[in-house]
Amino acid sequence: DAGVIQSPRHEVTEMGQEVTLRCKPISGHDYLFWYRQTMMRGLELLIYFNNNVPIDDSGMPEDRFSAKMPNASFSTLKIQPSEPRDSAVYFCASSLIGNTIYFGEGSWLTVV
Amino acid sequence: GQQVMQIPQYQHVQEGEDFTTYCNSSTTLSNIQWYKQRPGGHPVFLIQLVKSGEVKKQKRLTFQFGEAKKNSSLHITATQTTDVGTYFCAGILPVSSNYKLTFGKGTLLTVNP
Repeated sequence: DAGVIQSPRHEVTEMGQEVTLRCKPISGHDYLFWYRQTMMRGLELLIYFNNNVPIDDSGMPEDRFSAKMPNASFSTLKIQPSEPRDSAVYFCASSLIGNTIYFGEGSWLTVV
Repeated sequence: GQQVMQIPQYQHVQEGEDFTTYCNSSTTLSNIQWYKQRPGGHPVFLIQLVKSGEVKKQKRLTFQFGEAKKNSSLHITATQTTDVGTYFCAGILPVSSNYKLTFGKGTLLTVNP
């Protein structure tokens, strides 16, 4: 199994630019999660999907953040416009309900 | 909202010493999971506890789930340098219409060889 695949692994962008993070979950998993990790706030759940449908987006910081899951094998997290305070590691993860959550290796975002 | 608190935030030990991290929830949990994240890495699943009072062992690691299903602990016996990393607990609320895992802020363990 290839695991959860995220891209890009690293991104440095200027404030105001649009950032798109991509995720391919593990085949057959019906839950997909987007987390953000910073030193100050730890691991924060931003949004999660079940069978491609967004279930809980209460963790999305503000309207600048949006996430989509057009099909079972692909999801995006978009930040527009980006700000320096968005700098963090963004993890995508997938699971079958009640079972292990498998994390991708993360997308390290720096907004300057 | 539901919170999962973890202590201590940091722990530095000499190699060979024991280590324990504690996790407490403001609400009763359906089950609890533990993850380890190596520096620069991503969280990796260690174990899941489901039953009240459950105790599970993985080599030098012992995991406990409290009787009230509101607290949990991870104990490492005779730490090694390979144990370095951040240990997270993550709680799952009782079955509802949503499935949501809430992570504690983690305990960063460093081991002095």
